[in-house]
Amino acid sequence: NAGVMQNPRHLVRRRGQEARLRCSPMKGHSHVYWYRQLPEEGLKFMVYLQKENIIDESGMPKERFSAEFPKEGPSILRIQQVVRGDSAAYFCASSWATGSGANVLTFGAGSRLTVL
Amino acid sequence: DAKTTQPTSMDCAEGRAANLPCNHSTISGNEYVYWYRQIHSQGPQYIIHGLKNNETNEMASLIITEDRKSSTLILPHATLRDTAVYYCIVRAQGGYQKVTFGTGTKLQVIP
Repeated sequence: NAGVMQNPRHLVRRRGQEARLRCSPMKGHSHVYWYRQLPEEGLKFMVYLQKENIIDESGMPKERFSAEFPKEGPSILRIQQVVRGDSAAYFCASSWATGSGANVLTFGAGSRLTVL
Repeated sequence: DAKTTQPTSMDCAEGRAANLPCNHSTISGNEYVYWYRQIHSQGPQYIIHGLKNNETNEMASLIITEDRKSSTLILPHATLRDTAVYYCIVRAQGGYQKVTFGTGTKLQVIP
């Protein structure tokens, strides 16, 4: 039973390009969370999604960032026109929808974005 | 979510028990205490959670005071691989609540 899979693990982009980060949740998990961690800083909540729905995007920057979790396939965090300040580790987590495990998040290994 | 307060950093000798405190004086009756840790540059890892009874699993023990205003995570025999940032979070069961991580406690296990 594979855990939360994130890819790519490392991504290098030049300023102005687009970055797409993918997250496949654990089998049976229907909730996905995205977090950003800047170098030497803590985890910052970005967005929470269920299948085909964005539930809470209060942590997402207003521009250039978007997230989706389609009915089929992985969740995608998309960053358009990247800037150097977007360089960070982006972590995805998933959880069960209900029950006692609903609040236990399983994290992926992260995707590290470097903007040149 | 109720606010939690943790020491910024702690040291522990290898092989000794590591006791990590967390204050959550405004915790509500339906809020659980969760602990996660993040080993350097890795994804955070769930450790344990509890409501009011003490809990133990293969990783750690969680001791929650009777008034539930504070708790302690215990790693019984700390190893160098336990060096990490440990996060204490309180959160209610059911319904949606985003999980926010504070600054946590940086535990350094010393050989």
